[in-house]
Amino acid sequence: SQTIHQWPATLVQPVGSPLSLECTVEGTSNPNLYWYRQAAGRGLQLLFYSVGIGQISSEVPQNLSASRPQDRQFILSSKKLLLSDSGFYLCAWNKGAGRADTQYFGPGTRLTVL
Amino acid sequence: KQEVTQIPAALSVPEGENLVLNCSFTDSAIYNLQWFRQDPGKGLTSLLLIQSSQREQTSGRLNASLDKSSGRSTLYIAASQPGDSATYLCAVEAAGNKLTFGGGTRVLVKP
Repeated sequence: SQTIHQWPATLVQPVGSPLSLECTVEGTSNPNLYWYRQAAGRGLQLLFYSVGIGQISSEVPQNLSASRPQDRQFILSSKKLLLSDSGFYLCAWNKGAGRADTQYFGPGTRLTVL
Repeated sequence: KQEVTQIPAALSVPEGENLVLNCSFTDSAIYNLQWFRQDPGKGLTSLLLIQSSQREQTSGRLNASLDKSSGRSTLYIAASQPGDSATYLCAVEAAGNKLTFGGGTRVLVKP
């Protein structure tokens, strides 16, 4: 069976510090991978998605970047965090196999920027 | 641009009552509509997926309907239980395997 991991689970960082959040998927190959952010009182916003190694699409202009160095690894980064980067970050995957293909979400990382 | 709205934002019912959660979307050109459950501080769990050609999907006490032409979906949860307390999110998928989410409905089932 497939599983998705995210770490760390929680993170408190000062403004201006760098960020690296990691997501890995087990039990599947060549998944589509997604990064979402859920800010307090708001819905999920798609930040990045990837259909393969080194292929990253950005959905919104922002202070963050994403990379996919391996097939089942997706990394979210920032060189200098802003207060507005605080939120709950969720990674998700699916097979990209068609119209009946749900997304499976990881447990999330709670980021607080002070 | 697709917009997804969920009403009400919050709902409180006594145990045993049926729950009715609404979702509306502005662009009917969708591949599917999905319902998720989110417990506080946790990730999302997929509940039901309705393809654009389908009218409804059922799983246990859950039933979701889809009226694509009017841009609406309804999630019914029969005989609610305290364990059903969570936030329920709907999302529509259009081209490109990307989901657009509603703001969610926070449900509290009182014992």
